[in-house]
Amino acid sequence: GNSVTQMEGPVTLSEEAFLTINCTYTATGYPSLFWYVQYPGEGLQLLLKATKADDKGSNKGFEATYRKETTSFHLEKGSVQVSDSAVYFCALFTSGIFGNEKLTFGTGTRLTIIP
Amino acid sequence: EADIYQTPRYLVIGTGKKITLECSQTMGHDKMYWYQQDPGMELHLIHYSYGVNSTEKGDLSSESTVSRIRTEHFPLTLESARPSHTSQYLCASSDEDPASGNTIYFGEGSWLTVV
Repeated sequence: GNSVTQMEGPVTLSEEAFLTINCTYTATGYPSLFWYVQYPGEGLQLLLKATKADDKGSNKGFEATYRKETTSFHLEKGSVQVSDSAVYFCALFTSGIFGNEKLTFGTGTRLTIIP
Repeated sequence: EADIYQTPRYLVIGTGKKITLECSQTMGHDKMYWYQQDPGMELHLIHYSYGVNSTEKGDLSSESTVSRIRTEHFPLTLESARPSHTSQYLCASSDEDPASGNTIYFGEGSWLTVV
């Protein structure tokens, strides 16, 4: 079955530090890959996505590249801000022959940025 | 920006009470989902629907039930709430455009506490 393995947290960084949150996956077929962000007390928001190998998703200074050869989709940001403090979820989505599409999540990584 | 709404956002109820969590989307999406998020942040799919009159159980067994009488509406019901049902419940819907990578959009969540 499908699975997502995500870097365990919590992760604490100083403002303006470089961020990497690792994500690897196991899937049948050709999944789409996503990063979602959850701010305190809120639902999940789509941060970025990539639908095929070598695609790079980017948003708000965050980037992730779909690496089929290493089955990875690591999230990076060059200079984090306090407002980036949140929980980050890596996820994959596969289409099923009989419509059993669904999103498989990693366990989430809590990120805290200190001034 | 996604148009998916959940009510109530926060609810505290007594054991044995019946509760319905509402979820509505205005995007015309056929696919809708309910996720349960435990205190450790992990997300578990508990119900999903491919369209009107379609409902399926998710990966995590749940005592809740769902219905899909209208495309835009996917309510979740607990007939007799128990403290073990205390959790955050996230509703989501997805489009079917392959070019968009079948993005799933989330509501803001319903925090349920059963006392």
